[in-house]
Amino acid sequence: GQNIDQPTEMTATEGAIVQINCTYQTSGFNGLFWYQQHAGEAPTFLSYNVLDGLEEKGRFSSFLSRSKGYSYLLLKELQMKDSASYLCALYNFNKFYFGSGTKLNVKP
Amino acid sequence: ETGVTQTPRHLVMGMTNKKSLKCEQHLGHNAMYWYKQSAKKPLELMFVYSLEERVENNSVPSRFSPECPNSSHLFLHLHTLQPEDSALYLCASSQDPPSGGPYEQYFGPGTRLTVT
Repeated sequence: GQNIDQPTEMTATEGAIVQINCTYQTSGFNGLFWYQQHAGEAPTFLSYNVLDGLEEKGRFSSFLSRSKGYSYLLLKELQMKDSASYLCALYNFNKFYFGSGTKLNVKP
Repeated sequence: ETGVTQTPRHLVMGMTNKKSLKCEQHLGHNAMYWYKQSAKKPLELMFVYSLEERVENNSVPSRFSPECPNSSHLFLHLHTLQPEDSALYLCASSQDPPSGGPYEQYFGPGTRLTVT
């Protein structure tokens, strides 16, 4: 497997910034993806990284360091609707390997 | 219809039944996937079809049988399932390289399956 590790649950306050980490152990992959999944709904694509560095998409940014086996998703200006699970996934030749997800609770 | 659709949305079946799940994508993608999502577990990849050929069968029991008649449709045929097969079954599609473009997966809403 890819041994993808994410914290199980996090809590943050509305308006704040939160960083969700993802570590992995694999020799190679084509890209790293982040998905959001609200309870009872399908995952939706947020961001992906192919090269090392930061990719910014509005309030969401994702960072990748291949040498450190590490990625994070940064959520700014948190809103209540951001309460969801966040899934980290590695893509390698037709296959996606998902982590267990991090459940984010946003409180007022 | 847009995106990825799945039917039925909910299914309750006995262990001796035979049923099929259907997935249709309206995105012009060339790859389709079946995933199983159980409570508190990662999404488990079951099958991958690329250009209508199965390229991955992730050690899935033979009681699950996929079918991909064309690039827009994907089926999962179910027979003699076990209670532990109760889960959310998600279909997804993507545009694989080397066709180019972003290749993130687009998921359908899922079928909530309960085996009694």
